[in-house]
Amino acid sequence: GESVGLHLPTLSVQEGDNSIINCAYSNSASDYFIWYKQESGKGPQFIIDIRSNMDKRQGQRVTVLLNKTVKHLSLQIAATQPGDSAVYFCAENQGAAGNKLTFGGGTRVLVKP
Amino acid sequence: GAVVSQHPSWVICKSGTSVKIECRSLDFQATTMFWYRQFPKQSLMLMATSNEGSKATYEQGVEKDKFLINHASLTLSTLTVTSAHPEDSSFYICSARLRGGVGPDTQYFGPGTRLTVL
Repeated sequence: GESVGLHLPTLSVQEGDNSIINCAYSNSASDYFIWYKQESGKGPQFIIDIRSNMDKRQGQRVTVLLNKTVKHLSLQIAATQPGDSAVYFCAENQGAAGNKLTFGGGTRVLVKP
Repeated sequence: GAVVSQHPSWVICKSGTSVKIECRSLDFQATTMFWYRQFPKQSLMLMATSNEGSKATYEQGVEKDKFLINHASLTLSTLTVTSAHPEDSSFYICSARLRGGVGPDTQYFGPGTRLTVL
């Protein structure tokens, strides 16, 4: 999702259900795409990344999908838990530009017990 | 391992004063550190890239004379907000890239510093 002014898109999900968070990116020259989790008042925490030459990567309870044709990235969280409640950001890494990260807008995930 | 700290975690200052924020890589060396600013309910915006022993590279629109960055060692970078004004109030976050690291998972973020300018 994209942030619009002061409003973060919010995804409400029932505990135990799967969550899907979407992101559109802009730079087709990016070499990595990353998902971060940010809890209130804290710095971003790395979740998973995917190289630009891949279309899917799985981690523990998370899967990232990359569709370069439409410049779309998604994060799937399986069996969402209360501890997953946070703001999630996608980011693009430009290795050719000194590994600068460009963050997309965030999505707030609220897990309902 | 791979812990990045920031000090202070929060600071309140009067308009016109300067504030220094420290970013330290506690258990690894970082040749490159990055400084971000995050306004409430918004994303992180890169302000500058700091390389040890050289001048920082600032992003377009970021005033280098207002946001002074010093990266004097492989474990410490500082950001000084000079003549702070209320519009500088924000959450400042640093990240440090592991020396020799390849890939985004070798970039570690600090916990952030909340700056409030009265």
